[in-house]
Amino acid sequence: DSGVTQTPKHLITATGQRVTLRCSPRSGDLSVYWYQQSLDQGLQFLIQYYNGEERAKGNILERFSAQQFPDLHSELNLSSLELGDSALYFCASSVGVGDYEQYFGPGTRLTVT
Amino acid sequence: GNSVTQMEGPVTLSEEAFLTINCTYTATGYPSLFWYVQYPGEGLQLLLKATKADDKGSNKGFEATYRKETTSFHLEKGSVQVSDSAVYFCALIRQGAQKLVFGQGTRLTINP
Repeated sequence: DSGVTQTPKHLITATGQRVTLRCSPRSGDLSVYWYQQSLDQGLQFLIQYYNGEERAKGNILERFSAQQFPDLHSELNLSSLELGDSALYFCASSVGVGDYEQYFGPGTRLTVT
Repeated sequence: GNSVTQMEGPVTLSEEAFLTINCTYTATGYPSLFWYVQYPGEGLQLLLKATKADDKGSNKGFEATYRKETTSFHLEKGSVQVSDSAVYFCALIRQGAQKLVFGQGTRLTINP
């Protein structure tokens, strides 16, 4: 158990819908990262927040957005969902920014039908 | 750009065999290097890491040495067990950057 929690574990929704994925970092960690794992793209970095502020952006679609709240939990919002958005979405956390060890949550499996 | 290349899987071995999973990287500067493991139905777990040239990371019988001259970070274990069956990911973080860059993963199956 990494100490990073993600909810829900599974999510099934239809095209065009909007969903919210939630992540709580390890106690004491200020950075939260979101990654997408799909069969064709592998593991891709989406976005990072540090202490409530966006720090780095990767291959995140404009239909996707995220935020980190004052209690340091983070939410990833996916809208206008397409079949290709079906993937495992991982949250990770670390103490700070840079090359600190990142600890991953169990992931949310999103299926878009 | 920064990238990680792993040996293609799947890899199938018998219990107690010697394991090597090759990993090479391309990066500017001096990245930190990691191996993560993903067991079936679970998230990624940090297996080991190395932050500078010639560092050796080790954990649970697994080892990897940061070789700057060959830009490699090969994962090795002397005697694998059935419980080591998983997908293994090599990854790097470029110096000063925030994101992990992953290889494509190598699926390992150990038969009893």
